[in-house]
Amino acid sequence: AQKVTQAQTEISVVEKEDVTLDCVYETRDTTYYLFWYKQPPSGELVFLIRRNSFDEQNEISGRYSWNFQKSTSSFNFTITASQVVDSAVYFCALRDTDKLIFGTGTRLQVFP
Amino acid sequence: EAQVTQNPRYLITVTGKKLTVTCSQNMNHEYMSWYRQDPGLGLRQIYYSMNVEVTDKGDVPEGYKVSRKEKRNFPLILESPSPNQTSLYFCASSLSGMGIGTEAFFGQGTRLTVV
Repeated sequence: AQKVTQAQTEISVVEKEDVTLDCVYETRDTTYYLFWYKQPPSGELVFLIRRNSFDEQNEISGRYSWNFQKSTSSFNFTITASQVVDSAVYFCALRDTDKLIFGTGTRLQVFP
Repeated sequence: EAQVTQNPRYLITVTGKKLTVTCSQNMNHEYMSWYRQDPGLGLRQIYYSMNVEVTDKGDVPEGYKVSRKEKRNFPLILESPSPNQTSLYFCASSLSGMGIGTEAFFGQGTRLTVV
């Protein structure tokens, strides 16, 4: 079955703390793509990253980093030194044949 | 600017009154899709279109219709809306389907309330 699990419904941190959002996936495919999207309070979906299954290198973009581990079927997202502007709902998604399969999202609240 | 545009952004309607949510993209993308977002359920696909005049059902198509007469437009039609269709709707497009893992561009969302 194709499935994405984001077990953390909501996380609250204080500014400057590091925070990791978990994403576990299930797929029957040997080649697959994983995504992270951010949904700020304004509601739009903002693309953060796409990762294919061939590339297990971790990726860093500023304060954001992603840890892809095929052995545990996980694609976790870490925000370093969180800021209030990071407050949003974050979705992990898996590409299926003709659609994206989304997790249920993790709401991150960063307090000043 | 590359974008997917949905209209309206907010809509309150009454049960049974037909409505259309428009979606337009300016990137010449072949693939377009509609999702609905509900609390605790994430986003689920309603319909998708691989190209002009080609549409297929997604995971939750009941109560919805779509059409793809032109490449840039992919309207979502609710012939007889019901309260369980109250949701946040997103239109998405990508270059050529999801088969090559291309990035999906999403519209701003349409928050629909059916009373």
